[in-house]
Amino acid sequence: QTVVTQEPSLTVSPGGTVTLTCASSTGAVTSGYYPNWFQQKPGQTPRALIYSTTNLHSWTPARFSGSLLGGKAALTLSGVQPEDEAEYYCLLYYGGVWVFGGGTKLTVL
Amino acid sequence: QITLKESGPTLVKPTETLTLTCTFSGFSLSTSGVGVGWIRQPPGKALEWLALIYWDDDKRYSPSLKSRLTITKDTSRNQVVLTLTNMDPVDTATYYCARRVGGVDYWGQGTLVTVSS
Repeated sequence: QTVVTQEPSLTVSPGGTVTLTCASSTGAVTSGYYPNWFQQKPGQTPRALIYSTTNLHSWTPARFSGSLLGGKAALTLSGVQPEDEAEYYCLLYYGGVWVFGGGTKLTVL
Repeated sequence: QITLKESGPTLVKPTETLTLTCTFSGFSLSTSGVGVGWIRQPPGKALEWLALIYWDDDKRYSPSLKSRLTITKDTSRNQVVLTLTNMDPVDTATYYCARRVGGVDYWGQGTLVTVSS
């Protein structure tokens, strides 16, 4: 069974930069996995941030960016705001099947 | 304006079949490239992708749940229906439907389904 792994938790200071990663048990993540990233705050519906590795949705703040880094998909937040404290999930495509990562709890402290 | 909304029972008994409906507006599931899928989230746990149906009726399922899942669409009514058989307490979760165009973009508000006798 395919497993997608994210850091369980990360902490960042306001105004800082943090990178969250998303790894696949099948090997290196490439653009062919069409990585998506989502933000979920407590009690809320997930909100889409990025699709196809690097593409921001129209509502996604420019401080969010997506990339491939060291064989993983990556989500970088630059100039972190207090409201960025949330759970972040990645989603990878495996030839018709999609698999979510376990999520990263981002604390802004 | 694109919206999706899930509907269905809030409580089901073990061994019963769950049927959920996603009713959407602002787009058409007959448009090339469009898909609508289902995702669930047990309380306090991670998201889990379940199934997706595309404009051309191509259907994809989570391998771990494939034997229990069925996804169908009614394009004229702008609805996608998910059935999950043989429900168990571990299937207790908030069930979301979401649109896929390029990426997964718009989500419904979710509906909490509890499995209990």
